[in-house]
Amino acid sequence: RKEVEQDPGPFNVPEGATVAFNCTYSNSASQSFFWYRQDCRKEPKLLMSVYSSGNEDGRFTAQLNRASQYISLLIRDSKLSDSATYLCAVNSLKGYSTLTFGKGTMLLVSP
Amino acid sequence: EADIYQTPRYLVIGTGKKITLECSQTMGHDKMYWYQQDPGMELHLIHYSYGVNSTEKGDLSSESTVSRIRTEHFPLTLESARPSHTSQYLCASSRQESSEKLFFGSGTQLSVL
Repeated sequence: RKEVEQDPGPFNVPEGATVAFNCTYSNSASQSFFWYRQDCRKEPKLLMSVYSSGNEDGRFTAQLNRASQYISLLIRDSKLSDSATYLCAVNSLKGYSTLTFGKGTMLLVSP
Repeated sequence: EADIYQTPRYLVIGTGKKITLECSQTMGHDKMYWYQQDPGMELHLIHYSYGVNSTEKGDLSSESTVSRIRTEHFPLTLESARPSHTSQYLCASSRQESSEKLFFGSGTQLSVL
C-alpha cells in the first residue's frame, strides 16, 4: 500500500460548484498534514496545513479523520483560477523528517 | 513568496555530460531538499540536508550527488547524464522548527538526449 494515496481525477466542475477531495495515508503515527497546490509545470505551493480540529481559509476547508486515516479538502464556490492539481502531503516517519506527497488530484473548473 | 531560486529553469543536454543544478535560498533555512517529479507522478525525495556539511539520500535511489558547504546553497550534480535522468528537479527548504512546511523553488526541467 502506498504511503499517501489520492484519486488522480480529473474532477470537472462548473464555476460556483463545491468540490471535495480525499487523501488517505497509511502510517497511523503521522502527525503533520498539508495540502499543496501545483499548477501545470510549476512548483508546489503550500495551500494550507491541516489541523486536528479542522481549519478553514476563505473558500477552503481542510479536515483530518485520524480514525479512518484520511484528510480532506473542500473548495466552495469554485473559481476558474482554482484549476490545478492538489497534492496531499504527510510527514514521513522513516528516521528523517520530511514530507511524502501523493500523486495529486487534478481539478478543472469550467465556465 | 518564498525566496528560493533554482537555475537553470530548463536544461537540454547530451548523454555523458556532467551537470550541476543550482539551488539557493535567502531565508536562512537549515533544511534543504531535492525532489524529483515526472509528469503526473508524485514527488520523490532524492536528497536532503539538515545543515552545513550534512547530506543524506532520500527514498528514491539517484545517481546524483549533493553538497552543502554554505547554508544558502544546495547544488545537485550528475557526473554523467543519461536519458533516464530526464525529469523535473525541485529544490525545497524549511525552517528547522517547522520542518514539514516546505517552500519550493521553480524547478529545473532536465532533458537528456
